[in-house]
This record gives sequence, structure tokens and C-alpha cells, in this order.
Amino acid sequence: NAGVTQTPKFQVLKTGQSMTLQCAQDMNHNSMYWYRQDPGMGLRLIYYSASEGTTDKGEVPNGYNVSRLNKREFSLRLESAAPSQTSVYFCASSDFSGSRNEQFFGPGTRLTVL
Amino acid sequence: GENVEQHPSTLSVQEGDSAVIKCTYSDSASNYFPWYKQELGKRPQLIIDIRSNVGEKKDQRIAVTLNKTAKHFSLHITETQPEDSAVYFCAASIRGATNKLIFGTGTLLAVQP
Repeated sequence: NAGVTQTPKFQVLKTGQSMTLQCAQDMNHNSMYWYRQDPGMGLRLIYYSASEGTTDKGEVPNGYNVSRLNKREFSLRLESAAPSQTSVYFCASSDFSGSRNEQFFGPGTRLTVL
Repeated sequence: GENVEQHPSTLSVQEGDSAVIKCTYSDSASNYFPWYKQELGKRPQLIIDIRSNVGEKKDQRIAVTLNKTAKHFSLHITETQPEDSAVYFCAASIRGATNKLIFGTGTLLAVQP
């Protein structure tokens, strides 16, 4: 199993450009998440999808949109990139297993907006 | 809104010493508290977790304690080794929804050989 995969690994954008970050998981998990990681800020939830067909805002949703394409795939779109969106983006997935809800993270996408 | 505070932000210990990282959460409905470890350039990975109906949990050299009344929980690493060097994040579930987490800001642990 590949687990959680993300594309691209690196991306440089100019201010105002748009792009979509792709995420896929092969663990048959119901829930998927998008986080951003900035120095000193930890992991902040952008959007999440508790199950196929549902999405909900997290802590920092402004400037982003998401699509839960199917159970496997959850994409994050930046419509008009801004320098403040320079960050490392992690996708994650999880499912309930007894009392545990381990989130499995992808390798991350390092995005720079000039 | 919900918040998780984590201290210290950096921690340096000698190999073999113990390390303790503390977190405080604000949402009284939080019922799930995981800890993630992130090595340099890698993705975060779960190392231990605890639910609100348990006060302490151990897994080899790692333990987590939870004080619901004070709304704080701690990670304890004993007999630290250089491979324990990493950033550690605590997290708490939001509004009782186990699958939605708010993370602390992280602790950079350096274990000096």
C-alpha cells in the first residue's frame, strides 16, 4: 500500500496564479484532511472531509477550496495565490479503529508564492 | 475558539535523561489526545494517544498523562536516545469530534549524545 500520496512535491507560484494540490489514499479511510505547516505555528487545519460527499471548514479556510472527488481523493485549490499561502501542505486520512483515530499523513507539498 | 498551548517550544537533554512536554487545551468537550512525532523533512507520525476516560498510558519508553480537571496532558520520554530528536506535536479533538484535531505549536527536542 502506498498510504497517502500527494502531488506535486514542490511548487512555485506567482501571486494571483491558481493551482490544485492533489491527495489520494488507498487505505479505504472515510475521513481526509488538509493542513498547512508554518514555522512556529504547528499544523493548522484548512478543511476536512468526514466522509465522502461532505466537507467542512477548519481553522484557516480563507483563500482555499476543496473537493472530495471520491472516497480516495481529496484536492485543495488555491484560486488566487498570495505570499501568505507560502507553506508546507499536508494531506492526511483516518478512520475509526476502536478508540483510536490515527491520522496518516502524506509526504507534504512545499509551496512558495512569490 | 478552541486552543492548544504547548510548552516548551525547544528542549535539549542529554542522552539517557528524561524529557517532558506539556500541553493545555481549552475545549472541555475534547476527548481524544494524540501525540505526533515529526523528524526533520518527514511527515508527522502518531506515537501515542489517550482518551479522556484514561489517566495514563505507557508504551515502552513513552508515556502520556491526562488531567481532565486541569485540562492538561503531558508526554514523558524516558532514557532518551539521539533518534528521539524531532519535533513533537500534541493535539486535542474539537467539540468531542474524535476525527477533527487542533494541534499545539510543537516542541523541538534535541537529544545530545
